[in-house]
Amino acid sequence: DTAVSQTPKYLVTQMGNDKSIKCEQNLGHDTMYWYKQDSKKFLKIMFSYNNKELIINETVPNRFSPKSPDKAHLNLHINSLELGDSAVYFCASSHRTGSPTNEKLFFGSGTQLSVL
Amino acid sequence: GNSVTQMEGPVTLSEEAFLTINCTYTATGYPSLFWYVQYPGEGLQLLLKATKADDKGSNKGFEATYRKETTSFHLEKGSVQVSDSAVYFCALRTQGGSEKLVFGKGTKLTVNP
Repeated sequence: DTAVSQTPKYLVTQMGNDKSIKCEQNLGHDTMYWYKQDSKKFLKIMFSYNNKELIINETVPNRFSPKSPDKAHLNLHINSLELGDSAVYFCASSHRTGSPTNEKLFFGSGTQLSVL
Repeated sequence: GNSVTQMEGPVTLSEEAFLTINCTYTATGYPSLFWYVQYPGEGLQLLLKATKADDKGSNKGFEATYRKETTSFHLEKGSVQVSDSAVYFCALRTQGGSEKLVFGKGTKLTVNP
């Protein structure tokens, strides 16, 4: 009954490869996110989708392309992987209402990406 | 721009010690403030929050008070347990309907028995 699930949990790949990380949430939320956590635990937002529409797109190389086939899924595809892409990537979801009481994000357990 | 500054870690304490993790913020307007916790191998979980000045968020023995005058939201717990060992993130969300949470860099806490 995992609320926000990501796959794979670990991903080891060579430089230059293309890889995808999948995320699904079963909470009925309408907003999903991708965050990147570097080796120093610094967490930074990459993208956010609301009802399958891109609403936040931080300064991220265009090698990173999110795709949201429906409200419950937000996948992250990365082209031409580089050493600096090594990090833990977290998917999260929330219900966007504008009310302060509904600002809680639910996070997946992360995907550790290692680029060799 | 909006930012969150947390005390540098790591923090190592003995069980039952008092914990304070400092957090200050810079933001336009009146943000909502949060503490998230990340246990080893897991994603972040909301620990507590406060949405206006002088509000106190509390959960699992942790507390933090939204201090507008000092732009701070320090996390405290009177008596830590080994199970509190985790990374703690202070975060803010600005008004205006943006879903963008801005996180601090995290503070790793280790509690020894």
